[in-house]
Amino acid sequence: DQQVKQNSPSLSVQEGRISILNCDYTNSMFDYFLWYKKYPAEGPTFLISISSIKDKNEDGRFTVFLNKSAKHLSLHIVPSQPGDSAVYFCAATPPIIFGKGTRLHILP
Amino acid sequence: NAGVTQTPKFQVLKTGQSMTLQCAQDMNHEYMSWYRQDPGMGLRLIHYSVGAGITDQGEVPNGYNVSRSTTEDFPLRLLSAAPSQTSVYFCASKTVSTDTQYFGPGTRLTVL
Repeated sequence: DQQVKQNSPSLSVQEGRISILNCDYTNSMFDYFLWYKKYPAEGPTFLISISSIKDKNEDGRFTVFLNKSAKHLSLHIVPSQPGDSAVYFCAATPPIIFGKGTRLHILP
Repeated sequence: NAGVTQTPKFQVLKTGQSMTLQCAQDMNHEYMSWYRQDPGMGLRLIHYSVGAGITDQGEVPNGYNVSRSTTEDFPLRLLSAAPSQTSVYFCASKTVSTDTQYFGPGTRLTVL
């Protein structure tokens, strides 16, 4: 049973527009959520996180929103840039559980 | 800082062979872990360690052994490789006071 779900395997967005990546979780005991970005042939790198006591965290072009009642979080990237093309993993902790990832394609 | 390093980058094994995947970090992180990434499966935790001399199992530990004799190193051993262990393996580390992990570049393992 997947505790962290990323239901969209892939997403294509025009350069300059907003990219929205979604993540759902089932375990209400999770209290910290993270997003990692992964390029081909590289390890995942940390992007942004949010504690369960917050509903929004912003870092430059990246914003993560948390809706605890819906057990849903989303990552917004605005504006989207070509270098944002990668696989994005949502993770929840404790213990740390990763989603299956969403491949984001930024179209020129 | 080299961060988290992994060797080798690529490895091909025959069924039944054994090998050790190396992982080292120079950030003095207490926590280290091993993941495998398979297509459509995300990252799954194999084993982890919260400090030298302490290891524990993750979600998919069968077929793998680990030890942690120093803070810096956390090798992953495959005792008798099976085709089901064909995967990309990532090592990661962090301090115990945070949730943000730093990943190595990965080892791509193929078992024939």
